[in-house]
This record gives sequence, structure tokens and C-alpha cells, in this order.
Amino acid sequence: DAGVTQSPTHLIKTRGQHVTLRCSPISGHKSVSWYQQVLGQGPQFIFQYYEKEERGRGNFPDRFSARQFPNYSSELNVNALLLGDSALYLCASSSSFGTAYEQYFGPGTRLTVT
Amino acid sequence: RKEVEQDPGPFNVPEGATVAFNCTYSNSASQSFFWYRQDCRKEPKLLMSVYSSGNEDGRFTAQLNRASQYISLLIRDSKLSDSATYLCVVREGGYNKLIFGAGTRLAVHP
Repeated sequence: DAGVTQSPTHLIKTRGQHVTLRCSPISGHKSVSWYQQVLGQGPQFIFQYYEKEERGRGNFPDRFSARQFPNYSSELNVNALLLGDSALYLCASSSSFGTAYEQYFGPGTRLTVT
Repeated sequence: RKEVEQDPGPFNVPEGATVAFNCTYSNSASQSFFWYRQDCRKEPKLLMSVYSSGNEDGRFTAQLNRASQYISLLIRDSKLSDSATYLCVVREGGYNKLIFGAGTRLAVHP
């Protein structure tokens, strides 16, 4: 079975632009979480979605938004990009909502803002 | 104070060495604890969960001390393939939010 997939793998954007990152969870998984990993740091939680509803939000500005589609895939949108948004964006899927379910990470999208 | 703190390393050890990583967490209400491994420019992968009674998986042993809010990982008989960053992770809240430490780099040399 395919694991979590993310697209694109790499992306270069200019300050002020907008970006959309995409994630497809493992087949049968209904929950998707997004994390940002800046170089030299551990991943930081951005959002969790379950059954198309936002179930958790980390300490990120409103420039960050996300949604989940009926097929459980998800998009992360970032507006008005800043240099500090340069990071690896990781998507993780789990079969359901709640603390009992392991999260499986995708390979990430590496975003560079110039 | 950071929610999860780890020694950043790097730890440079020869093959066959035993190495220990430590981690502390700030929220006493944290529910679950893990060690993840992350290879360079790759995604994190679950290495093992950590239980209060301590648990072992081959050469890896994890310990949790809830009273001290302290987590450890011991790697025995280090292999070259163990070279990676080891992330201490805490799960809290009613939903599946993982809080990561900054990671400890391990480099095993011949």
C-alpha cells in the first residue's frame, strides 16, 4: 500500500507570494495533520483535520490555513510568504482521531522563500 | 522554557559503543511519549513508544520517569546505520498533537 504522499517535493517562492501544498493520506486514514520543520528544529504542529473538520490548531498566524476534502486529502495554504516560512512541511495521517492512533509522516515538501 | 528539551549533540561514537539520550518535558499532563528517528532530509519515523515500565526493542531501551518528567533512550552496540537525528516526542491534549524536541544528532563512525 502507498504511504502518505505530498506534492510538490520542492518549491521556491518569493516573499509575498502564496503557496498551496498537498497531501494524500494512507488509504483508509481519515485524519491529516500538518507540521512545519525549520532547519535544526523539530517539527511544529500547525493543524489537524478529521472528517473535513479542523480539530486542532498550533501557534501559527492566520496566513496559514488548511482544509480537508471528502476523499480525506488535504491542502495547506500559506499567504504573504515570509523568509521565515522556509521549511520542510510535513503531512501526517492517522486512521482516526484521538491519541490512540499512530501518525505516519509523508516525505514532506521543502519550501524555500527568497 | 521549551515544551520538550533535548541535548542537541552531536554525539560522535565508534561502532559498538553504548549511547544514551535524555529528554525532559514541561507539561505534566502529557499522555504519551515516543522516540522518532529522522535521517538527513527525510521524514521522521517512529522508533518506539515509551512506557512507564520501560521497554526494550532489540538494541534500543526507552525509559520514562513521570515524576521527573524525563525520558531516555539507550542504544547498545551502535551500528553505522544508527547515524541519524533522534527526536523526543510527547503527545498531549484530546487530539493527536505531537510535540517534538529539537532532536539529538548521532554520528557512529567505524
